Amino acid sequence: GAGVSQSPRYKVAKRGQDVALRCDPISGHVSLFWYQQALGQGPEFLTYFQNEAQLDKSGLPSDRFFAERPEGSVSTLKIQRTQQEDSAVYLCASSSTSGTGINEQYFGPGTRLTVT
Amino acid sequence: QKEVEQNSGPLSVPEGAIASLNCTYSDRGSQSFFWYRQYSGKSPELIMSIYSNGDKEDGRFTAQLNKASQYVSLLIRDSQPSDSATYLCAVNHGEGGKLIFGQGTELSVKP
Repeated sequence: GAGVSQSPRYKVAKRGQDVALRCDPISGHVSLFWYQQALGQGPEFLTYFQNEAQLDKSGLPSDRFFAERPEGSVSTLKIQRTQQEDSAVYLCASSSTSGTGINEQYFGPGTRLTVT
Repeated sequence: QKEVEQNSGPLSVPEGAIASLNCTYSDRGSQSFFWYRQYSGKSPELIMSIYSNGDKEDGRFTAQLNKASQYVSLLIRDSQPSDSATYLCAVNHGEGGKLIFGQGTELSVKP
């Protein structure tokens, strides 16, 4: 079946612009996660949804970052007034389960954001 | 101290050898552990998950978990050049299931 999809795959933004990154999880997956990956590092957690509820946003680096999943499927990560330090790959992952049990997460291809 | 630590490598092994990748974690309450493979310019791909102490085998891959020592490892038997990638160790950090990743170990398999 179809995996996690993300769009756009690449985004170049001028400093100060707002961007919106989209994630379409595997059909029926309850949990959706956003991660940020800097070059040469492992992904870092940003936020987590269980259906439409945002249960953890502890990893969002500032109030310029906002995520939503209004109907419990597609999610959007929005970054306002982008800064150069926001340049990274933004990864979305989904899982068919929730909580701390068996929680295999499958990643989308990522969106590479470059802020100039 | 990072929550999940891996040797960044690069780890170089000859084709056909066993590659051994190691990971330690700091949270004793962690319940599930994952290995992801990431090719350059691609996203992480799940290759193994393990929840109980001991070994779990899947084809050429074996994951080993020792919760007392807070240690997870991945063995790749009969390594192939196509196994050359960065291997990420990830630990389920508790509520909600967010994953904490190590920085990854770069593996190079030489023909």
